[in-house]
Amino acid sequence: GAGVSQSPSNKVTEKGKDVELRCDPISGHTALYWYRQRLGQGLEFLIYFQGNSAPDKSGLPSDRFSAERTGESVSTLTIQRTQQEDSAVYLCASSLWRSDTQYFGPGTRLTVL
Amino acid sequence: AQRVTQPEKLLSVFKGAPVELKCNYSYSGSPELFWYVQYSRQRLQLLLRHISRESIKGFTADLNKGETSFHLKKPFAQEEDSAMYYCALKTSYDKVIFGPGTSLSVIP
Repeated sequence: GAGVSQSPSNKVTEKGKDVELRCDPISGHTALYWYRQRLGQGLEFLIYFQGNSAPDKSGLPSDRFSAERTGESVSTLTIQRTQQEDSAVYLCASSLWRSDTQYFGPGTRLTVL
Repeated sequence: AQRVTQPEKLLSVFKGAPVELKCNYSYSGSPELFWYVQYSRQRLQLLLRHISRESIKGFTADLNKGETSFHLKKPFAQEEDSAMYYCALKTSYDKVIFGPGTSLSVIP
């Protein structure tokens, strides 16, 4: 079956512009996570959605970052007024509720010039 | 505070040599620990989880609550083991925290 998909795969933008990144989780997966991976760094937790519960936004680095999820489907991560330090690979993962295993997407590579 | 540390950013071993990737965690509750692996040009994927006490691709990891460690071990490294390895902690609220990762290079 289809795995987690993310779009676009690459995004180059100018400083100050807004960007929207999309994640399509595996069907039926109630949990969805966003992570940021800067060059040479580990995975940085951003936000976590679980079903209809309020999302855990504790990892969002600033109010320029926001994310939405419609039910148990697509999620979008929006970065407003992008800065060069936002350049990174943004990874999305989904899992069944209370499941051990996260399934990762291929990531979106964001470059802010 | 919830935290996962992996002290080695880079680790190089010769083929056939034993390998140990270190992971320590900080968590006040009952932890669930995992190892994820990312091979070159592939997606990040689960390697093993502590509750399963399984051996995957020859790798094992034992949770040591006294030392708050979950080191990944393999007795004989293979070239195909070269990858980025991440230790991860799952909290009681299902939030997953990853360590910074260790890049393993197995020298032929």
